[in-house]
Amino acid sequence: QKEVEQDPGPLSVPEGAIVSLNCTYSNSAFQYFMWYRQYSRKGPELLMYTYSSGNKEDGRFTAQVDKSSKYISLFIRDSQPSDSATYLCAMYRAGGTSYGKLTFGQGTILTVHP
Amino acid sequence: DTEVTQTPKHLVMGMTNKKSLKCEQHMGHRAMYWYKQKAKKPPELMFVYSYEKLSINESVPSRFSPECPNSSLLNLHLHALQPEDSALYLCASSQGTANNSPLHFGNGTRLTVT
Repeated sequence: QKEVEQDPGPLSVPEGAIVSLNCTYSNSAFQYFMWYRQYSRKGPELLMYTYSSGNKEDGRFTAQVDKSSKYISLFIRDSQPSDSATYLCAMYRAGGTSYGKLTFGQGTILTVHP
Repeated sequence: DTEVTQTPKHLVMGMTNKKSLKCEQHMGHRAMYWYKQKAKKPPELMFVYSYEKLSINESVPSRFSPECPNSSLLNLHLHALQPEDSALYLCASSQGTANNSPLHFGNGTRLTVT
């Protein structure tokens, strides 16, 4: 079983829809959570970074963390065709010397069609 | 455009060639990383530099040789590569060296080994 599970999709939604992307994890040592967006032939772009349970909002994006359930989500409101990309969740364990060693989900491919 | 700049964007090399990938960041970050990403997979960590010193080598074959000339620059020297080394090579940086600093990625060098 992978430490981080992410539904690879593909996920196809109409423009304007609310998109929910999810990751579950098995190790409670994970304490810092990131969402990246990766367009084809580009590097991952940091969208959201959070370390507290609860919601964090940035424009059309909301990151949600539920540490008790070991579950994180990214919501995209009013989705646009330009949101079409692969979305990767990533997380760090607390403490230790494992910096840089992010544990990634497998990525969800999202297509928003006009 | 990202704040981590990688050159070249594309590279084709034969198995006997020697080439170098370059990465530059001007965000004052103290940690820099090399990641490798195969198609439809998440990035995998190769090397971590902290304050210009190599701190993590994820058992990478010696045909990959990293170098950090100063706090803004990171190189990856390539020699005698194999076709299976063809991938997107991503450079990243983070502000701190603890594992709670989010990584900022460049757009990568797409490497093809013939």
